[in-house]
Amino acid sequence: QVQLVQSGAEVKKPGASVKVSCKATGYTFTSNTIQWLRQAPGQSLEWVGWINPDRGDTMYSRSLQGRLTIVRDTSATTAYMELSSLRTEDSAVYYCARSYCGGDCYSLDWGQGTLVTVSS
Amino acid sequence: DIQMTQSPSSLSASVGDRVTISCRASQGIRNDLDWYQQKPGKAPKRLIYAASSLESGIPSRFSGSGSGTEFTLTISSLQPEDFATYYCLQHNSYPLLTFGGGTKVEIK
Repeated sequence: QVQLVQSGAEVKKPGASVKVSCKATGYTFTSNTIQWLRQAPGQSLEWVGWINPDRGDTMYSRSLQGRLTIVRDTSATTAYMELSSLRTEDSAVYYCARSYCGGDCYSLDWGQGTLVTVSS
Repeated sequence: DIQMTQSPSSLSASVGDRVTISCRASQGIRNDLDWYQQKPGKAPKRLIYAASSLESGIPSRFSGSGSGTEFTLTISSLQPEDFATYYCLQHNSYPLLTFGGGTKVEIK
Protein backbone atom coordinates (compact mmCIF):
# COMPACT_ATOMS: atom_id res chain seq x y z
CA GLN A 1 0.00 0.00 0.00
CA VAL A 2 1.04 3.61 -0.43
CA GLN A 3 3.11 4.97 2.44
CA LEU A 4 4.84 8.27 3.02
CA VAL A 5 7.21 7.98 5.96
CA GLN A 6 8.76 11.17 7.26
CA SER A 7 11.89 11.71 9.30
CA GLY A 8 11.74 12.26 13.03
CA ALA A 9 11.16 15.31 15.18
CA GLU A 10 13.76 18.08 15.17
CA VAL A 11 14.71 20.78 17.64
CA LYS A 12 16.65 23.69 16.18
CA LYS A 13 17.91 27.08 17.30
CA PRO A 14 16.85 30.28 15.54
CA GLY A 15 18.99 30.86 12.45
CA ALA A 16 19.71 27.17 11.90
CA SER A 17 18.42 24.98 9.06
CA VAL A 18 16.27 21.86 9.08
CA LYS A 19 15.88 19.15 6.45
CA VAL A 20 12.84 16.86 6.56
CA SER A 21 12.65 13.74 4.42
CA CYS A 22 9.60 11.96 3.00
CA LYS A 23 10.21 8.37 1.86
CA ALA A 24 7.55 7.15 -0.58
CA THR A 25 6.70 3.48 -1.13
CA GLY A 26 3.88 1.49 -2.72
CA TYR A 27 3.62 3.46 -5.97
CA THR A 28 5.78 4.79 -8.81
CA PHE A 29 7.50 7.77 -7.20
CA THR A 30 7.73 9.83 -10.40
CA SER A 31 4.03 9.40 -11.25
CA ASN A 32 2.62 11.72 -8.58
CA THR A 33 3.54 15.16 -7.33
CA ILE A 34 4.27 15.87 -3.68
CA GLN A 35 2.99 18.74 -1.58
CA TRP A 36 4.55 20.04 1.61
CA LEU A 37 2.29 21.66 4.19
CA ARG A 38 2.73 22.79 7.79
CA GLN A 39 0.57 23.34 10.82
CA ALA A 40 1.68 25.50 13.74
CA PRO A 41 0.29 24.54 17.16
CA GLY A 42 -3.44 25.30 17.36
CA GLN A 43 -3.42 26.82 13.86
CA SER A 44 -4.75 25.95 10.44
CA LEU A 45 -2.73 24.32 7.70
CA GLU A 46 -0.42 26.33 5.47
CA TRP A 47 0.87 25.36 2.05
CA VAL A 48 4.68 25.29 1.98
CA GLY A 49 5.56 24.08 -1.51
CA TRP A 50 5.34 21.44 -4.23
CA ILE A 51 7.59 19.26 -6.32
CA ASN A 52 7.07 17.20 -9.43
CA PRO A 53 9.41 14.24 -8.81
CA ASP A 54 9.50 13.37 -12.50
CA ARG A 55 10.91 16.66 -13.78
CA GLY A 56 12.10 18.17 -10.49
CA ASP A 57 9.93 21.29 -11.00
CA THR A 58 9.15 23.12 -7.79
CA MET A 59 6.87 25.87 -6.53
CA TYR A 60 7.28 27.59 -3.19
CA SER A 61 5.13 29.67 -0.87
CA ARG A 62 5.88 33.32 -1.44
CA SER A 63 6.29 33.84 2.29
CA LEU A 64 9.05 31.19 2.44
CA GLN A 65 10.77 31.92 -0.87
CA GLY A 66 14.48 32.41 -0.37
CA ARG A 67 14.61 30.16 2.71
CA LEU A 68 12.96 27.03 1.29
CA THR A 69 14.38 24.29 -0.92
CA ILE A 70 12.49 21.18 -2.00
CA VAL A 71 14.34 18.44 -3.86
CA ARG A 72 13.91 14.78 -4.63
CA ASP A 73 16.09 11.72 -5.02
CA THR A 74 14.33 9.44 -7.49
CA SER A 75 16.64 6.50 -6.79
CA ALA A 76 15.74 6.70 -3.11
CA THR A 77 12.07 7.56 -3.82
CA THR A 78 12.43 10.34 -1.28
CA ALA A 79 11.51 14.02 -1.27
CA TYR A 80 13.25 16.53 0.98
CA MET A 81 12.19 19.89 2.35
CA GLU A 82 14.91 22.17 3.72
CA LEU A 83 14.10 25.41 5.51
CA SER A 84 16.94 27.75 6.46
CA SER A 85 17.32 30.81 8.71
CA LEU A 86 14.74 29.29 11.04
CA ARG A 87 12.54 31.54 13.18
CA THR A 88 10.44 30.64 16.18
CA GLU A 89 7.33 31.06 14.03
CA ASP A 90 8.54 28.17 11.82
CA SER A 91 7.75 25.79 14.67
CA ALA A 92 5.10 23.45 13.30
CA VAL A 93 4.25 19.95 12.21
CA TYR A 94 5.44 19.58 8.63
CA TYR A 95 3.54 17.16 6.38
CA CYS A 96 4.36 15.75 2.98
CA ALA A 97 1.40 14.55 0.90
CA ARG A 98 1.13 12.74 -2.44
CA SER A 99 -1.36 14.13 -4.95
CA TYR A 100 -3.20 11.41 -6.85
CA CYS A 101 -6.35 10.83 -8.84
CA GLY A 102 -9.00 9.26 -6.61
CA GLY A 103 -12.48 10.71 -6.82
CA ASP A 104 -10.75 13.58 -8.57
CA CYS A 105 -7.09 14.39 -9.13
CA TYR A 106 -6.68 16.40 -5.94
CA SER A 107 -6.74 13.52 -3.50
CA LEU A 108 -3.90 13.54 -0.95
CA ASP A 109 -2.11 10.69 0.82
CA TRP A 110 -0.44 12.17 3.89
CA GLY A 111 2.76 11.39 5.71
CA GLN A 112 2.66 11.08 9.49
CA GLY A 113 4.06 14.58 10.02
CA THR A 114 7.35 15.83 11.44
CA LEU A 115 7.40 18.18 14.42
CA VAL A 116 9.96 20.95 14.02
CA THR A 117 10.56 23.06 17.11
CA VAL A 118 12.58 26.26 16.84
CA SER A 119 13.67 27.54 20.21
CA SER A 120 16.67 29.21 21.74
CA ASP B 1 -3.41 34.78 -3.66
CA ILE B 2 -6.84 33.32 -2.92
CA GLN B 3 -7.93 33.70 0.70
CA MET B 4 -10.42 31.36 2.37
CA THR B 5 -12.56 32.68 5.23
CA GLN B 6 -14.23 29.99 7.31
CA SER B 7 -16.97 30.48 9.90
CA PRO B 8 -17.62 29.96 12.69
CA SER B 9 -14.19 29.33 14.19
CA SER B 10 -15.79 27.08 16.81
CA LEU B 11 -19.19 25.78 17.75
CA SER B 12 -20.77 23.69 20.48
CA ALA B 13 -23.37 21.13 19.49
CA SER B 14 -25.10 18.05 20.82
CA VAL B 15 -25.25 14.57 19.37
CA GLY B 16 -28.05 14.52 16.80
CA ASP B 17 -27.79 18.23 15.97
CA ARG B 18 -27.57 19.55 12.44
CA VAL B 19 -24.33 21.50 11.97
CA THR B 20 -23.43 23.92 9.19
CA ILE B 21 -19.98 25.35 8.47
CA SER B 22 -19.33 28.03 5.87
CA CYS B 23 -16.35 28.94 3.73
CA ARG B 24 -15.97 32.00 1.52
CA ALA B 25 -13.32 32.45 -1.17
CA SER B 26 -11.83 35.85 -1.92
CA GLN B 27 -12.46 35.22 -5.63
CA GLY B 28 -14.41 32.71 -7.66
CA ILE B 29 -12.99 29.19 -7.50
CA ARG B 30 -15.70 27.30 -9.44
CA ASN B 31 -16.20 24.10 -7.41
CA ASP B 32 -12.49 23.59 -6.66
CA LEU B 33 -13.10 23.12 -2.96
CA ASP B 34 -12.70 20.20 -0.56
CA TRP B 35 -13.67 19.69 3.07
CA TYR B 36 -11.37 17.95 5.55
CA GLN B 37 -11.77 16.63 9.07
CA GLN B 38 -8.84 16.57 11.47
CA LYS B 39 -8.61 14.92 14.86
CA PRO B 40 -5.84 15.75 17.38
CA GLY B 41 -2.44 14.40 16.45
CA LYS B 42 -3.63 13.09 13.08
CA ALA B 43 -3.31 14.20 9.47
CA PRO B 44 -6.45 15.65 7.90
CA LYS B 45 -8.92 13.32 6.19
CA ARG B 46 -10.93 14.40 3.14
CA LEU B 47 -14.70 14.20 3.45
CA ILE B 48 -15.98 16.10 0.41
CA TYR B 49 -14.34 16.90 -2.92
CA ALA B 50 -15.37 19.16 -5.79
CA ALA B 51 -17.61 21.04 -3.32
CA SER B 52 -20.36 18.42 -3.15
CA SER B 53 -19.02 14.92 -3.91
CA LEU B 54 -18.78 12.52 -0.98
CA GLU B 55 -15.43 10.79 -0.59
CA SER B 56 -15.62 7.01 -0.67
CA GLY B 57 -16.26 5.53 2.78
CA ILE B 58 -17.53 8.77 4.31
CA PRO B 59 -20.98 8.58 5.96
CA SER B 60 -23.86 10.16 4.07
CA ARG B 61 -24.64 12.51 6.98
CA PHE B 62 -21.84 14.69 5.57
CA SER B 63 -22.75 16.85 2.57
CA GLY B 64 -21.31 19.85 0.78
CA SER B 65 -22.76 22.55 -1.42
CA GLY B 66 -21.83 25.78 -3.16
CA SER B 67 -19.78 27.09 -6.04
CA GLY B 68 -17.97 30.28 -6.96
CA THR B 69 -17.22 31.98 -3.65
CA GLU B 70 -19.68 30.52 -1.10
CA PHE B 71 -19.51 26.96 0.21
CA THR B 72 -21.14 24.99 3.00
CA LEU B 73 -20.43 21.75 4.83
CA THR B 74 -23.41 20.20 6.59
CA ILE B 75 -23.50 17.37 9.09
CA SER B 76 -27.12 16.29 9.20
CA SER B 77 -27.04 14.48 12.55
CA LEU B 78 -23.88 14.95 14.60
CA GLN B 79 -22.36 11.74 15.94
CA PRO B 80 -19.84 11.36 18.80
CA GLU B 81 -17.03 10.57 16.36
CA ASP B 82 -17.67 13.84 14.48
CA PHE B 83 -16.23 16.06 17.20
CA ALA B 84 -13.14 17.37 15.45
CA THR B 85 -11.81 20.36 13.53
CA TYR B 86 -13.01 20.93 9.97
CA TYR B 87 -11.16 22.79 7.21
CA CYS B 88 -12.06 23.89 3.73
CA LEU B 89 -9.33 23.72 1.09
CA GLN B 90 -9.26 25.43 -2.29
CA HIS B 91 -7.18 23.97 -5.13
CA ASN B 92 -8.30 26.32 -7.90
CA SER B 93 -4.76 27.73 -7.88
CA TYR B 94 -3.13 24.27 -7.82
CA PRO B 95 -0.40 23.45 -6.96
CA LEU B 96 -0.81 26.35 -4.54
CA LEU B 97 -3.38 25.27 -1.93
CA THR B 98 -5.18 27.44 0.61
CA PHE B 99 -6.95 26.21 3.73
CA GLY B 100 -9.63 28.00 5.67
CA GLY B 101 -8.98 28.90 9.28
CA GLY B 102 -10.81 25.86 10.64
CA THR B 103 -13.95 25.19 12.67
CA LYS B 104 -13.64 23.28 15.93
CA VAL B 105 -16.79 21.30 16.69
CA GLU B 106 -17.10 20.67 20.41
CA ILE B 107 -19.55 18.79 22.60
CA LYS B 108 -22.26 20.91 24.19
